[in-house]
This record gives sequence, structure tokens and C-alpha cells, in this order.
Amino acid sequence: SQELEQSPQSLIVQEGKNLTINCTSSKTLYGLYWYKQKYGEGLIFLMMLQKGGEEKSHEKITAKLDEKKQQSSLHITASQPSHAGIYLCGADVTGNQFYFGTGTSLTVIP
Amino acid sequence: GAGVSQTPSNKVTEKGKYVELRCDPISGHTALYWYRQSLGQGPEFLIYFQGTGAADDSGLPNDRFFAVRPEGSVSTLKIQRTERGDSAVYLCASSSRASGGSEQFFGPGTRLTVL
Repeated sequence: SQELEQSPQSLIVQEGKNLTINCTSSKTLYGLYWYKQKYGEGLIFLMMLQKGGEEKSHEKITAKLDEKKQQSSLHITASQPSHAGIYLCGADVTGNQFYFGTGTSLTVIP
Repeated sequence: GAGVSQTPSNKVTEKGKYVELRCDPISGHTALYWYRQSLGQGPEFLIYFQGTGAADDSGLPNDRFFAVRPEGSVSTLKIQRTERGDSAVYLCASSSRASGGSEQFFGPGTRLTVL
């Protein structure tokens, strides 16, 4: 079973468009992580959020953790083909186990 | 090494055979995780080591799966009597401390195919 729900499951956007990916948990999160994965490769760490209301940015990617620490969003501004891949949210829910969402597949059309 | 490495990168085996998958974490990282990722799914937690001991193995699907980390660095995931449903990419990750504040660094994975 998945502790984290991601939406949408897949996204196709034109280059230059903005997009948002959501990650929702039914439990309070100790920490919320965003990773990116390309086919056949391992996960690449993007950002970590721990405090309710926290927001972090890296280049054109911004992630937020809501006040109740149960939902996070990842926003990409002016998308580029290099942003294509699978975006995964992950969270430490129990203190030992680490759960991942089902992933969002992003395609950026040049 | 600079990052987490996993060997082999690909493993094809026949149903019923035994396989071992190896993970070399980043030097000095005390926490090590194993995940299994099926096509179109996010990684599924299998087991978490803190040092040499398995702090949480509740994600192992059944007793055919076993993992060790005898010296607190390299870890081996062992699968006995493999089944076709075991086919997946097995990912290993390490971090400098227990989850809850430290990012995990992932290896490239081992793609296991059981025929």
C-alpha cells in the first residue's frame, strides 16, 4: 500500500509552461523529500522540507510543505526538456521506514 | 567511492534460483536502505540498517528475502527460490544518519529478471 498519494500520475507540457505536482499523506510527516528519477537510473535528491509552511527553491523548481505537514507541492517554472523524468515524493512517516509516492511522469515537449 | 554503487547492474536468473545483490554505500554512512521498484511504481521500502543491525526489516515481503551488513558498510540482499514476481529494480540508498533529517543517496539499482 502507498502511504503517499501523488497527482497527477503523468503530465505532458509544452516547453516553457509552468506545472505543479502534488503529494498528499494521511499522516503527519517528519520530513518530506522530493526526488527525480530518469529511466534506468537511481534517484536524484532535489529538496527536503521539514517545517510546516517551509518553502525551498532550486533553479526553477520550488517545493512547499503545508502548515499541517501533510501535503507538499512541487512547482516547475518555465519547464525545459531537461526537467523530463519521474518525480517522486518520499517521507519518513514512522521514524525508520521511508515511503515513496507512486511518482509523476513528466514529459516536456520542445 | 564517490557515490553508492550496486552490483550487478543486471541479473537474469531462472525461477527457483538463489541470487545475491550487493550494495556499496558512501563511506562513513551509517544508515543503509534497500528498496524494490516495480515498473510504474515508486520504490517500496524493504529494510533499513543502522550500522550492522537491521533496525527495521518489516518491508521484506517474505522469508525468502534476507539482507546482511556484517561490517556496517557493504550490504547484500539475498533472495532464495526466486519467483517471477520478484522481477524488479532493487535500489540501495545510504545516508549519514537515520531518516528524519538526512537525505538518502541512491545507487543506480540492480535490475533483476526472473524467467
